Amino acid sequence: EVQLLESGGGLVQPGGSLRLSCAASGFTFSSYFMNWVRQAPGKGLEWVSATSGSGGSIYYADSVKGRFTISRDNSKNTLYLQMNSLRAEDTAVYYCAKGHLGSSLDYWGQGTLVTVSS
Amino acid sequence: DIQMTQSPSSLSASVGDRVTITCRASQNINNYLNWYQQKPGKAPKLLIYAASSLQSGVPSRFSGSGSGTDFTLTISSLQPEDFATYYCQQSYSTPRTFGPGTKVDIK
Repeated sequence: EVQLLESGGGLVQPGGSLRLSCAASGFTFSSYFMNWVRQAPGKGLEWVSATSGSGGSIYYADSVKGRFTISRDNSKNTLYLQMNSLRAEDTAVYYCAKGHLGSSLDYWGQGTLVTVSS
Repeated sequence: DIQMTQSPSSLSASVGDRVTITCRASQNINNYLNWYQQKPGKAPKLLIYAASSLQSGVPSRFSGSGSGTDFTLTISSLQPEDFATYYCQQSYSTPRTFGPGTKVDIK
């Protein structure tokens, strides 16, 4: 059974940093693109970042480019999102999601809440 | 960036109704269009990928169609568990933008 478990969320001050983790199990982690998608309170979904199975191809939304860094450790089956220079508008539930056919997202974690506030 | 729009933004329907949601891309995305269902407090669930392919385990009352810029999600007979918000997403290019969502609630 595929499982994705995010952790690392919490309350952080504007300008601060946070690192999210997503522990994956139940599939060959290194063979799949992995993504981060976020959802601000009461709002829609926003794709944040993606990385190929090897980590050699990486993509970001313009809203986080230069501030967030996606990475993965295939030996630990874990996806990361390093978030720096956090802003109030980064407040959201952050989901990790597994890539699927047509670059769809077939499995999602339960999400971790990041709150940026002083 | 490719912009995605959905219509309607919300709709009220009854159990057994046929429901159609439309998604439009700002440029040609071939068939790189996915549909997700999200219930309050839960992660999204993939329903349809590549415009018309039903994800494993998803009931056959869900179907998708379209190509290019215009796409449709149809629920042939709405069930109580289908009341949720539905999002389209293009996966033709990055950033992989989502539509704003369509909330389906009970009439």
